[in-house]
Amino acid sequence: AQSVTQLGSHVSVSEGALVLLRCNYSSSVPPYLFWYVQYPNQGLQLLLKYTTGATLVKGINGFEAEFKKSETSFHLTKPSAHMSDAAEYFCAVTKGNFNKFYFGSGTKLNVKP
Amino acid sequence: NAGVTQTPKFQVLKTGQSMTLQCAQDMNHNSMYWYRQDPGMGLRLIYYSASEGTTDKGEVPNGYNVSRLNKREFSLRLESAAPSQTSVYFCASSDRARDEQYFGPGTRLTVT
Repeated sequence: AQSVTQLGSHVSVSEGALVLLRCNYSSSVPPYLFWYVQYPNQGLQLLLKYTTGATLVKGINGFEAEFKKSETSFHLTKPSAHMSDAAEYFCAVTKGNFNKFYFGSGTKLNVKP
Repeated sequence: NAGVTQTPKFQVLKTGQSMTLQCAQDMNHNSMYWYRQDPGMGLRLIYYSASEGTTDKGEVPNGYNVSRLNKREFSLRLESAAPSQTSVYFCASSDRARDEQYFGPGTRLTVT
């Protein structure tokens, strides 16, 4: 069963517009949730993570995500897109024994001038 | 502090050839991972090592073997490469299994 679903393989926004990248997970136990960013020809870098506590998590570069247990979602947002935000974004979840991470299929963000 | 390093960066193999991808981390992390990345499929876990001396299969282990040589190094071996193994391979490490992972720059492998 798919553990992480990212809706939209490609998202295009104008510079200055709201960025919303969607992530839903499936888990019967409390998960740890992560968002990573990948720039072309590079490895993944952590943007933010949710483990326990506050459900609104702030990350680097002005991104934030909210853990909504009732909706099993962890959507990534940024109020105002910048050209440098163009990259591929991956949602990931680890649960249970935490030894395995499950990544979504990724969303490529294009920012138009 | 180099983080996670991988060698080689690029490799072309013929079907049936073997090779080993090397990974090393200098962060004293306990856990290490090998992933493959294919277009539209995200990252899929091949093998992981929760601690020195242990290795376990991930989602797509067939055709691969691993060795956790010591705490720093975790290698991935393709014994008989197949075109289906054409992919970008990433090594990652984390302090504990539940912690964020730090990724290497990747190895782009083509099997013809």
